[in-house]
Amino acid sequence: SQQGEEDPQALSIQEGENATMNCSYKTSINNLQWYRQNSGRGLVHLILIRSNEREKHSGRLRVTLDTSKKSSSLLITASRAADTASYFCATDDPTGQNFVFGPGTRLSVLP
Amino acid sequence: DAGITQSPRHKVTETGTPVTLRCHQTENHRYMYWYRQDPGHGLRLIHYSYGVKDTDKGEVSDGYSVSRSKTEDFLLTLESATSSQTSVYFCAISDRGSNYGYTFGSGTRLTVV
Repeated sequence: SQQGEEDPQALSIQEGENATMNCSYKTSINNLQWYRQNSGRGLVHLILIRSNEREKHSGRLRVTLDTSKKSSSLLITASRAADTASYFCATDDPTGQNFVFGPGTRLSVLP
Repeated sequence: DAGITQSPRHKVTETGTPVTLRCHQTENHRYMYWYRQDPGHGLRLIHYSYGVKDTDKGEVSDGYSVSRSKTEDFLLTLESATSSQTSVYFCAISDRGSNYGYTFGSGTRLTVV
């Protein structure tokens, strides 16, 4: 099934540094989303980017989408310890009814 | 999480027993989803609903059934629990299907022994 695959699987950085996570997918999409999951909690929606958009910003988050390469990136600038979480990309499935989630990137921000 | 609650939060059950998980929303959203989350697999869709009494299968629906008799409640039943169904189960809601973000519940950790 169509699926986003995040890269890297795990990332460890120092507070104040920028964190970049990538997502690659296999077939054409209408939308791509990024979610954050803190340990033991549900997923929280961060950003949705549509196929006709190239970049979106939300606070310290910047998402880019390159449909020619079938890839997206999530940049977190000036990271904080509170950004420690798993990050997932999700792409819409061929029916357009649902999203398919990748396995996620575990981000650790060290104080 | 605001507007969506899952119950129970934790459950231990024996192999072969039926189990029902409940998702309740107060947002009046049309779409509701059940996912399971396992290490290395991300979230996988079990079943979803696009309205009262309207449900459909997801990627990993075998061994699970769902019911939605009211807009606010979406029940997931494991007909005869197996150890492979040990997982964390998440419910999600959406007002516009895949064109908008989902709101997730806090999850139910189910252990089948």
